[in-house]
Amino acid sequence: QSALTQPPSVSGAPGQRVTISCTGSSSDIGAGYDVQWYQVLPGTAPKVLIFGNTNRPSGVPDRFSGSKSGTSASLAITGLQAEDEADYYCQSYDFTLSGVVFGGGTKLTVL
Amino acid sequence: QVQLVQSGAEVKKPGASVKVSCQSSGYTFTTYYLHWVRQAPGQGLEWMGIINPSGGSTNYAQKFQGRVTMTWDTSTSTVHMELSSLTSEDTAVYYCARPFFYYDGSGQGYYYDYWGQGTLVTVSS
Repeated sequence: QSALTQPPSVSGAPGQRVTISCTGSSSDIGAGYDVQWYQVLPGTAPKVLIFGNTNRPSGVPDRFSGSKSGTSASLAITGLQAEDEADYYCQSYDFTLSGVVFGGGTKLTVL
Repeated sequence: QVQLVQSGAEVKKPGASVKVSCQSSGYTFTTYYLHWVRQAPGQGLEWMGIINPSGGSTNYAQKFQGRVTMTWDTSTSTVHMELSSLTSEDTAVYYCARPFFYYDGSGQGYYYDYWGQGTLVTVSS
């Protein structure tokens, strides 16, 4: 069981907008620790999409955006493209565990 | 350019140990911590721990304490992760990852900017 809770799957048609939620607790996201989001394509290492809750590294399209409120965070993807079909993970830090925590991952299907 | 190159795939029997290596290049080895993350087949990412190559301090995830040992070799810019008492549940791809520290005005933290290519460890009798 992952420390952060994500929906197992989401889907959307090309061009649509989807959101992926990430729910934590008072010991991680709710404690003020930042949330990062990663995209994992089959057979490849994770790639960071969002850091510090809302920031995009250079090279990441502005179709990807992040937000955080209370003990939860969200990743929004607008203008869905076939190449966005992948697994997405949120990540934060838990002070009671003294370590990094990940969500269980969400599989995005582009219909 | 920054590269993290991991050792090759391993097949181990239950009860054995495995040692995975991660060699760094393209940056000063001792200036960045390195983390280990694994992903079992069909499962999510799981954090295993961290090592500071400058001095060798470590912090292991509670789940792996007593079973994992992370070491470093400055002469080869390599960190090692050894996992003992393997079971089939340890079958996974193991990654090393470098954290990039940031400060964005409202807070600070880190994200993984470089990853190794992954090492598949298969535990089977």
